[in-house]
Amino acid sequence: NAGVTQTPKFQVLKTGQSMTLQCAQDMNHEYMSWYRQDPGMGLRLIHYSVGAGITDQGEVPNGYNVSRSTTEDFPLRLLSAAPSQTSVYFCATKGNTGELFFGEGSRLTVL
Amino acid sequence: AQSVTQLDSQVPVFEEAPVELRCNYSSSVSVYLFWYVQYPNQGLQLLLKYLSGSTLVKGINGFEAEFNKSQTSFHLRKPSVHISDTAEYFCAVSEGDSSYKLIFGSGTRLLVRP
Repeated sequence: NAGVTQTPKFQVLKTGQSMTLQCAQDMNHEYMSWYRQDPGMGLRLIHYSVGAGITDQGEVPNGYNVSRSTTEDFPLRLLSAAPSQTSVYFCATKGNTGELFFGEGSRLTVL
Repeated sequence: AQSVTQLDSQVPVFEEAPVELRCNYSSSVSVYLFWYVQYPNQGLQLLLKYLSGSTLVKGINGFEAEFNKSQTSFHLRKPSVHISDTAEYFCAVSEGDSSYKLIFGSGTRLLVRP
């Protein structure tokens, strides 16, 4: 039982490049979300989804796109990377009691 | 809007000493409260949660927290810490089970010294 799987674990981009962070879950949870973690700022919600075909913005959505075509997958897209998007990104699903289950994170550096 | 404040960015403590990590929140409605722990280069894992009922909540690894509605606090405690408790701890709040947004505090780094 893998839980929440994120790929890649590490990525270096140049300003203006695009990329997609992948997130897959095998827990059959309807809710999935993306957070970014920056020093001294905790985790901030980027986008979330309450089921296939439904997405919504979190606290810091600018510069990021998401889609949810299946229950299992919730990719996060950066269309034109900026240095301010250098961060560690976490995907998480939510269980019935509100607990979040996190992936191991994807460390992104934008030069 | 709900928010979470963790006043201490770092708490140094000697091994086997007690520790308290503070968390205050602001919300106008009933809340669910959580503490998560993050070990170096790992994701977050749940320590404990308060949904309803008893205000004293016990979690894994000997940690406990007390929900205080009048003071809007949810402080985390452990009577005797170990070196292995060195990690970053995050308090988080959601506005009941109808909210899909879990808001995190900025984190407290617990540094346990021998």
